Amino acid sequence: DIQMTQSPPVLSASVGDRVTLSCKASQNINKNLDWYQQKHGEAPKLLIYYTNNLQTGIPSRFSGSGSGTDYTLTISSLQPEDVATYYCYQYNSGLTFGSGTKLEIK
Amino acid sequence: EVQLQQSGAELGKPGTSVKLSCKVSGYNIRNTYMHWVNQRPGKGLEWIGRIDPANGNTIYAEKFKSKATLTADTSSNTAYMQLSQLKSDDTAIYFCAIRGIGPFDYWGQGVMVTVSS
Repeated sequence: DIQMTQSPPVLSASVGDRVTLSCKASQNINKNLDWYQQKHGEAPKLLIYYTNNLQTGIPSRFSGSGSGTDYTLTISSLQPEDVATYYCYQYNSGLTFGSGTKLEIK
Repeated sequence: EVQLQQSGAELGKPGTSVKLSCKVSGYNIRNTYMHWVNQRPGKGLEWIGRIDPANGNTIYAEKFKSKATLTADTSSNTAYMQLSQLKSDDTAIYFCAIRGIGPFDYWGQGVMVTVSS
């Protein structure tokens, strides 16, 4: 099974900061990766699909990049409403969620 | 508008089974896979498995192969997941989801399953 490791587990940043969340796969996943945002008590919401495609309705401050085993979700200017846990999700071989990064405001 | 409506919270005794439902409106489930995901209290998301309602074919994550059974009823546009031999470790929120191609992504509201004697 493909393992997905996200770092850091917890990230604390200030409003307006540029924030980078990382996701590393145990093997090449050929860009078959999505990013989800989950706010407390809610279902996950798709932010980015196939590594770098912004889901409809998601603010343009969110972007994704990566290839091979290493992927990144970037928030260009952190907003208070971005407080959530973020998960990467690979579907190249089987389906696996990453362990999550909890994003907090300083 | 595509909507996934899950059944209500469940309380199950250890060793018993529960069956969760996920009724889809606004989209024919024959045209997609139905996925199930869980989230234990304070923990991350965990993919359980998926079913192709058009033919009943299923794929499960290894750890859920003897725990979960996925079925679907295309006449009522509803997916089901049965959890067997409940243990305290099965206490979690369970989500159903449609994850199609590209941006096609819809989730149920989640249902809490509590295992307690």
